[in-house]
Amino acid sequence: KAGVTQTPRYLIKTRGQQVTLSCSPISGHRSVSWYQQTPGQGLQFLFEYFSETQRNKGNFPGRFSGRQFSNSRSEMNVSTLELGDSALYLCASSSGTDYGYTFGSGTRLTVV
Amino acid sequence: AQSVSQHNHHVILSEAASLELGCNYSYGGTVNLFWYVQYPGQHLQLLLKYFSGDPLVKGIKGFEAEFIKSKFSFNLRKPSVQWSDTAEYFCAVTSTSGTYKYIFGTGTRLKVLA
Repeated sequence: KAGVTQTPRYLIKTRGQQVTLSCSPISGHRSVSWYQQTPGQGLQFLFEYFSETQRNKGNFPGRFSGRQFSNSRSEMNVSTLELGDSALYLCASSSGTDYGYTFGSGTRLTVV
Repeated sequence: AQSVSQHNHHVILSEAASLELGCNYSYGGTVNLFWYVQYPGQHLQLLLKYFSGDPLVKGIKGFEAEFIKSKFSFNLRKPSVQWSDTAEYFCAVTSTSGTYKYIFGTGTRLKVLA
């Protein structure tokens, strides 16, 4: 079966702009989570959605937001981009019956 | 505060050497534990997971991990590493209380010399 698909793979944005990243989970998976991966901070939890509802949120500013659609696809948005937002953004999905996540390949965001 | 510590940031081994990567966690309540691997240029893949039962968990590619509750540890082991095991390894923990929020360790970069 198809894995977790994230688009785009690479993005270059300018400070102050906003960006939207997309994630298509494995078919049948209803839980989608987002993580930010940086060399200095490692993997940091952003938020988790289940059946279009945000169930958990990490310690990120309000500039980071997300949503999940009825088909379980998810988007995350970052507004007013800062240089420090440069990172690999990972999406992961789970069936919800266990806690094992399948990760996508990520979107590498560079803010200049 | 919830946290996961991976003591070794970089490990270099020769092929056929034995591997043990340390992972300790600080987390209130009962937990689920995971090891993920990230091969160069690839996405994170689940190596193994512990939910309950036998504290010795077998994973893919000959890896295993032992959950020692009294030590809050979940160390990853492999008796004989191969060059293809060169990767970054992440330990993660989540609560059994229904949250899907993973707390990850900072990772251990393993380099296996052929």
